[in-house]
Order: sequence, then structure tokens, then C-alpha cells
Amino acid sequence: SQKIEQNSEALNIQEGKTATLTCNYTNYSPAYLQWYRQDPGRGPVFLLLIRENEKEKRKERLKVTFDTTLKQSLFHITASQPADSATYLCASNYNQGGKLIFGQGTELSVKP
Amino acid sequence: GAVVSQHPSWVICKSGTSVKIECRSLDFQATTMFWYRQFPKQSLMLMATSNEGSKATYEQGVEKDKFLINHASLTLSTLTVTSAHPEDSSFYICSAPRAGDFYNEQFFGPGTRLTVL
Repeated sequence: SQKIEQNSEALNIQEGKTATLTCNYTNYSPAYLQWYRQDPGRGPVFLLLIRENEKEKRKERLKVTFDTTLKQSLFHITASQPADSATYLCASNYNQGGKLIFGQGTELSVKP
Repeated sequence: GAVVSQHPSWVICKSGTSVKIECRSLDFQATTMFWYRQFPKQSLMLMATSNEGSKATYEQGVEKDKFLINHASLTLSTLTVTSAHPEDSSFYICSAPRAGDFYNEQFFGPGTRLTVL
């Protein structure tokens, strides 16, 4: 069955460094991958979407890559700040109808 | 940007009662909405797809008679947890893509925290 996994439950980094989060998928080929931010007790907030025919997408300090050979997406936050501390979720479609499956999330903590 | 609201934001109820949660798209039409459940420290699990004008479709293992979904209009879907029990306590979140657009971002509500005593 389709599976999407984020390989770190938690990531602790120093302010100013680049945070890199990983998302791997197996047993299917998603048309796109999405990254969301979720703060405690809140709903997810959309950050970036990358399609299968795109290698890289950027938005301000955020960058996402999509490697269909490795079946992997990397999500980077450059010049990280304590305000970036949150849980980051990777999601992908798994059919034509807009359904999303989510990875388990990576809790990022940026220390001053 | 597109906004999705949920009401209530939190609810506490006694075991055996029913609870209704509303999901509204405030500034766009949503022919389809999705309902998710999230347990502490876990990710979002899709429960069902709510379709305006037709029956909801449920994911495997989700009881349709327990989680009643009604998509009353192009901007409103409701989830009713019937005969709630403590194991139904969870964070319920809805999402919606803009009408017919399944290939771009989805917009999530702020979530509803349900606690069943």
C-alpha cells in the first residue's frame, strides 16, 4: 500500500542554520508533494507544493526538492529562526480525487 | 487567501451524546471537503470525503453510521459524532480545495478539539 514517511520525529538546530527535513514515499508515484506547517492545537498551514516534473521550488527562506528516482522530497529552511519551531508535515495525493496522505511529521525546534 | 473555519473550536461532552462540528469555506466554494482526525503526537488520518449533493465516502475502518457527514451547501460540511465515547476524543480537522481543483494546495480549518468524558 502507499506509504509516506518522514524520517525524523524531531530535529533540533541552532538559530541561523539550515534545517533539512526528509520525506520518502513507497509503492506509488505521487503527482505532487506538499509541505505544511502545524503549530500545537492548530490546523496545518500550506507552505509549498512541488509537482513530479519539477526538481526544485523556492519561496523566501524555504526550498523543496523532488527526486523521483530516490522517491524523496527534501524541505529546507535557511537562516532558521526560533519562530520556525513547529511540526512540519509532508503530504501527497494518492488518487485523482484530492485525497491526501500525510507523513507523521517532524517537530523542528530552533534554539536561539 | 482562502479561509476555512470550524465551529466549535473545542467541545466537551458526556459519553453517549452526539456532537456536531461545522466546517465552512468563507471566501470560496468547496464542492469537496475532507475530514481528518489527529491523535496526540500523530499525523492526520483521513476519515472521509464530503461531497456537495451526494453521499460522503469513508476510508476503510471508519464507521459511517458513527461519523455522519452532511455537505449542505457549497460552503458548509458538518461532521456529527454520534453516541460519542472517550475513544472518540481527538482533534478533528477539515480541509477543502477550491472547487474542482485537486492539483493545488488545500486549505485547512483550525481544528476542533473533542473531549468525551
